[in-house]
Amino acid sequence: QKEVEQNSGPLSVPEGAIASLNCTYSDRVSQSFFWYRQYSGKSPELIMSIYSNGDKEDGRFTAQLNKASQYVSLLIRDSQPSDSATYLCAVHQPVGRGSQGNLIFGKGTKLSVKP
Amino acid sequence: GAVVSQHPSRVICKSGTSVKIECRSLDFQATTMFWYRQFPKQSLMLMATSNEGSKATYEQGVEKDKFLINHASLTLSTLTVTSAHPEDSSFYICSPGQGGKTQYFGPGTRLLVL
Repeated sequence: QKEVEQNSGPLSVPEGAIASLNCTYSDRVSQSFFWYRQYSGKSPELIMSIYSNGDKEDGRFTAQLNKASQYVSLLIRDSQPSDSATYLCAVHQPVGRGSQGNLIFGKGTKLSVKP
Repeated sequence: GAVVSQHPSRVICKSGTSVKIECRSLDFQATTMFWYRQFPKQSLMLMATSNEGSKATYEQGVEKDKFLINHASLTLSTLTVTSAHPEDSSFYICSPGQGGKTQYFGPGTRLLVL
């Protein structure tokens, strides 16, 4: 069973702090990893994608990937109240081996940024 | 990113009726369409995958005769929930794909079956 695990939280951080969100995955053949933000009642919004080991930075967001440890994380610097949402980690399953090329999602971590 | 629309955004229906949800990929030729659903406080779960011009592939536990998927063109896919029941109440989200890859999602359709 291919799985993506996240701490459900809630994770509470003060405004201006760094929020750290973690995710582990079980399928070693996974090559593409995504972080989505989902506000209540809304569809997921893509924040970051990462494909290679190491860090990838985009504005206040940094994604980190460690394929050997099967671990991917998202750091949010200078957290704002508007960042309060559920963050979903997703792993792309390559076509084949029973996969249609879809994304497998973790259950999400709820982040709350306190003013 | 890809521009994806869904219609309707919200629907309330009586038990036993059928509901059709449209998903349009506005600037992207979707050779594949993924349909997900999300129950409250849970994550997105893949229901089925459709390839343009072919029959859909359903995930385990998803009834193909209940959730009818049509993917007749590269820009339009429809999901019809037949004889809907309260347990089908959920948030249905489409995601167009190309070359076996997908990243973007439609805005979702919230279905409430009374």
